[in-house]
Amino acid sequence: AQTVTQSQPEMSVQEAETVTLSCTYDTSESDYYLFWYKQPPSRQMILVIRQEAYKQQNATENRFSVNFQKAAKSFSLKISDSQLGDAAMYFCAYRSAHNAGNMLTFGGGTRLMVKP
Amino acid sequence: DTEVTQTPKHLVMGMTNKKSLKCEQHMGHRAMYWYKQKAKKPPELMFVYSYEKLSINESVPSRFSPECPNSSLLNLHLHALQPEDSALYLCASSPSAGRTYGYTFGSGTRLTVV
Repeated sequence: AQTVTQSQPEMSVQEAETVTLSCTYDTSESDYYLFWYKQPPSRQMILVIRQEAYKQQNATENRFSVNFQKAAKSFSLKISDSQLGDAAMYFCAYRSAHNAGNMLTFGGGTRLMVKP
Repeated sequence: DTEVTQTPKHLVMGMTNKKSLKCEQHMGHRAMYWYKQKAKKPPELMFVYSYEKLSINESVPSRFSPECPNSSLLNLHLHALQPEDSALYLCASSPSAGRTYGYTFGSGTRLTVV
C-alpha cells in the first residue's frame, strides 16, 4: 500500500517570502500522479498543483512550483511571494495510474500560517 | 459547470434521526467519492462509485448507506449515528478511470451528532 508523509505539522512564513512544504511517499509503482491540495477555513479542498510521475519536468502554476525527485520519492511544494490568502492546510496526495478506484491517498497535512 | 455541490452545508442530528447528505456534479464525471474528515486530519475515503456502481467500501459501518441514483447525483443516508461520527463529509468526483486524473471536491457538510 502507498503511504504519504508530511513531516511538518505547521509552517510559518512572512508575507512576500518563500516557503517550502515537504512531502515524501512510498510506492512500488512507477506510474502515478502526485498532488498538492489547499484547504482553507472555508473547507473546500482546492487543487493547487499536480505532477505526473512520467514527466521529468517539475510542474509550475504561477507562484506555486514543485520539486519532484522520483528516485528519492520526494514531492515538495514551493510557494513564492506568499500572500495572506495562502494561509491554509496543505495536503500532499498520491494516486496510482493503475488503480481502478482512482483513490487519493493523503498525507497528514501541513498548516501554513502567513504573517503580515 | 465545474463544481461539486453539497447540501446541506451544516447538519445537526440526534442519534435516532435519519438524514441524508446530497452531492451533485454536472461535469460528466463518472467516478464519485465520499470522504470523512475529522478536525486537523486528512480526508479518509469511505466509498467510491464508478459508473453508478459501488466499487469500493472502506469497511464503513452500515449506519452509513451510500446511493448513486444517476451519474450526477450521490447521496449518503445516515441512520442511528454516534457522536464520534461528527465530522466534515466531503464529496468528490473525477473523470472515469484512465489517464485523466482531475479530482474536484465539494465544500463539504459539517455534521454534528448529538
